[in-house]
Amino acid sequence: GQQLNQSPQSMFIQEGEDVSMNCTSSSIFNTWLWYKQDPGEGPVLLIALYKAGELTSNGRLTAQFGITRKDSFLNISASIPSDVGIYFCAGQPGGTSYGKLTFGQGTILTVHP
Amino acid sequence: EAGVAQSPRYKIIEKRQSVAFWCNPISGHATLYWYQQILGQGPKLLIQFQNNGVVDDSQLPKDRFSAERLKGVDSTLKIQPAKLEDSAVYLCASSLGMASGIYGFFGPGTRLTVL
Repeated sequence: GQQLNQSPQSMFIQEGEDVSMNCTSSSIFNTWLWYKQDPGEGPVLLIALYKAGELTSNGRLTAQFGITRKDSFLNISASIPSDVGIYFCAGQPGGTSYGKLTFGQGTILTVHP
Repeated sequence: EAGVAQSPRYKIIEKRQSVAFWCNPISGHATLYWYQQILGQGPKLLIQFQNNGVVDDSQLPKDRFSAERLKGVDSTLKIQPAKLEDSAVYLCASSLGMASGIYGFFGPGTRLTVL
């Protein structure tokens, strides 16, 4: 089946630093999504990307849908302590597979004040 | 707007026992999903409902897992009998429909520990 490789697995950064993480797939996706999950909670959608090459921002977060449709990137600028959590990428193939999301393994982000 | 509700939040059982989880989606959301999230991994879709019909259950271990969504609102996910490898967080998500809001609003999950 489809697999998403997300990297890095974990990051330890200082408050104020920028963060980059990425996700690659062996298959093409029509939609790329980025979620954040806090301990004991379900994932919360941060950014949704719909077109190859699309660059979308949400506050300090910026995500891009790769041209090949097989990858996506998430950047967080000027990190703050509340950015701590697990970030997941997810892809949706489209067509008859609407709603069938495949998630990456997650990137654990730790921000030191 | 109330979010997706799940209960119980935690459950500890012994292997070979049965367990059931309940989900109440956001009002008006036609599509409901159950995901399994094993520690250290991303969520994996188990089953997707559109109203009270199953859209996709290709990754549901049907020999022990079952799910239903009577009347197209609440849903229950059952495991019978449970195995050690079923220890995970079971997440329920809902969305307006398959072609809109497909990304889902997730509930807090039920953490299952099988001893």
